[in-house]
Amino acid sequence: GQQLNQSPQSMFIQEGEDVSMNCTSSSIFNTWLWYKQDPGEGPVLLIALYKAGELTSNGRLTAQFGITRKDSFLNISASIPSDVGIYFCAGQSFQGAQKLVFGQGTRLTINP
Amino acid sequence: NAGVTQTPKFQVLKTGQSMTLQCAQDMNHNSMYWYRQDPGMGLRLIYYSASEGTTDKGEVPNGYNVSRLNKREFSLRLESAAPSQTSVYFCASSEVGGEKLFFGSGTQLSVL
Repeated sequence: GQQLNQSPQSMFIQEGEDVSMNCTSSSIFNTWLWYKQDPGEGPVLLIALYKAGELTSNGRLTAQFGITRKDSFLNISASIPSDVGIYFCAGQSFQGAQKLVFGQGTRLTINP
Repeated sequence: NAGVTQTPKFQVLKTGQSMTLQCAQDMNHNSMYWYRQDPGMGLRLIYYSASEGTTDKGEVPNGYNVSRLNKREFSLRLESAAPSQTSVYFCASSEVGGEKLFFGSGTQLSVL
């Protein structure tokens, strides 16, 4: 089946630093999404991207839909303690509209 | 609004036992999903229901059955639990389009 490769798998940073993570696929997706999971909770949607090249922000978060449609990037600026959690990318294709494919996740840890 | 509610939150089973995970949503969504989350594997789709009265297999359906009881409720059944089914299970629902998922808070299942 389709797979997404998300990197890095984990990050340990200082509060105030910027964060970058990415997701790549061997397949084309028509929609890219980024979710965040807080400890003990289910994932929550952060950003949805619908067009190749699209750049979308949500507060300190910025995500981009790669022009090849096979990758996406998430940046977090000036990290704060509540940014701790697991970040998942997800892709949706035309063929599998109801079947999101998720990356393995990036676990973010912040040292105050 | 409660959103997506899952029960139970924790469960321990012995190999061969059966159980049903319950899920209900109050957002009037047509589509509902069951995912499992394992370390380093991200979220993998077990089964989904695009609309009331329909169910379809996802990526990892073996060993599971589902029932879409009505528009609000979607249950997941393990007929004969195996240690490989030890995981965190998430129910989710979505609007038309299927990319913006709303997740429950999860069920942590251990099979001994």
